[in-house]
Amino acid sequence: EAGVVQSPRYKIIEKKQPVAFWCNPISGHNTLYWYRQNLGQGPELLIRYENEEAVDDSQLPKDRFSAERLKGVDSTLKIQPAELGDSAVYLCASSLDRYTQETQYFGPGTRLLVL
Amino acid sequence: TQLLEQSPQFLSIQEGENLTVYCNSSSVFSSLQWYRQEPGEGPVLLVTVVTGGEVKKLKRLTFQFGDARKDSSLHITAAQPGDTGLYLCAGDIYGGATNKLIFGTGTLLAVQP
Repeated sequence: EAGVVQSPRYKIIEKKQPVAFWCNPISGHNTLYWYRQNLGQGPELLIRYENEEAVDDSQLPKDRFSAERLKGVDSTLKIQPAELGDSAVYLCASSLDRYTQETQYFGPGTRLLVL
Repeated sequence: TQLLEQSPQFLSIQEGENLTVYCNSSSVFSSLQWYRQEPGEGPVLLVTVVTGGEVKKLKRLTFQFGDARKDSSLHITAAQPGDTGLYLCAGDIYGGATNKLIFGTGTLLAVQP
């Protein structure tokens, strides 16, 4: 069974440019998460989806970040415009459903460098 | 934001040595998970502990959940180079239908052959 797929794996952009990340979760997984991980630290949740509904976006900087999961399957996270401090690894994860202790499966991440 | 502190932050040891990583918080967790993350990859779940005082073993790895469900430890016996990676604890403070994890600050382990 294929795992969580993310693309691109690496992205280098100049500040003020837009950037988008794509995630395809494990087939049948209803819950999708986007995390940001700074170097040497643990991931921090940005947004969580139940099917196509964003149920927790309290940590998403809404002035420049946006996300969508239109058909309840794959998802896109966008930053516009990017700032130097956005350099990080952006991880996507999915789980079968939203209940506690349900295993979250992580993708390999997209490494973003903003110059 | 609830904070999970891990210690030590970095650890470099020789193959065959034992080590313990700690995960501490002032919050009570309904469950706590341990992940290992290798360079260029996402975190991979190792174990989930739920009951205060619970001990789980995974080959040479022993995980313990504190009695008050505020802290946890990971002990590795006879470490091997393949154990190298970033170890992350993650707690769920809400329980129920949220599955919202708060990740710790991480422990970077390097096992030298």
